[in-house]
Amino acid sequence: DGGITQSPKYLFRKEGQNVTLSCEQNLNHDAMYWYRQDPGQGLRLIYYSQIVNDFQKGDIAEGYSVSREKKESFPLTVTSAQKNPTAFYLCASSIDRTGYGYTFGSGTRLTVV
Amino acid sequence: KQEVTQIPAALSVPEGENLVLNCSFTDSAIYNLQWFRQDPGKGLTSLLLIQSSQREQTSGRLNASLDKSSGRSTLYIAASQPGDSATYLCAVREWGGGSEKLVFGKGTKLTVNP
Repeated sequence: DGGITQSPKYLFRKEGQNVTLSCEQNLNHDAMYWYRQDPGQGLRLIYYSQIVNDFQKGDIAEGYSVSREKKESFPLTVTSAQKNPTAFYLCASSIDRTGYGYTFGSGTRLTVV
Repeated sequence: KQEVTQIPAALSVPEGENLVLNCSFTDSAIYNLQWFRQDPGKGLTSLLLIQSSQREQTSGRLNASLDKSSGRSTLYIAASQPGDSATYLCAVREWGGGSEKLVFGKGTKLTVNP
């Protein structure tokens, strides 16, 4: 079955560490996205990529970095510069045409310890 | 700047009741509107997608309508069941800041009591 796989499901980070969240899709979608979800708030866009080797900052990109070396993969690194990284992170993809919808992964919960 | 609002924030109903969830958006220049379901600690599951040129979409007990001119969408759930308990999110796909993006509401948390 086609879909989006996020790993790990749970991740713990110590102060000052960088951590990388994985997102892989086999839907042959061109565009991929990272969202952050905090309790009581809507999803906020961190980064997005509409084509391999290209990506753009979203609304809350500070303290995060991404890469898009393959169409199937869009990993997100949460750096030590992100002061409040505890959140639920969701990866999504879409055919890069605006008439289509988004497909989401099952999420990664990141906690700072 | 596009803003998406969902009312109510939480809703509790007895099993079997028909219910309506509301979503409003401030800028009508959208490509489509998508309704999602989110179970606690899980990702988003797409329920219905309405193109900007459409008025409604149906899937089983779910019916979503779109009135782009007034900036409103509703999700109608017929004969609600305890398994429908979840948070329902609406999102509009639009062009903004030089790129297309999805803007979300904060969701309506639905509880269906047996």
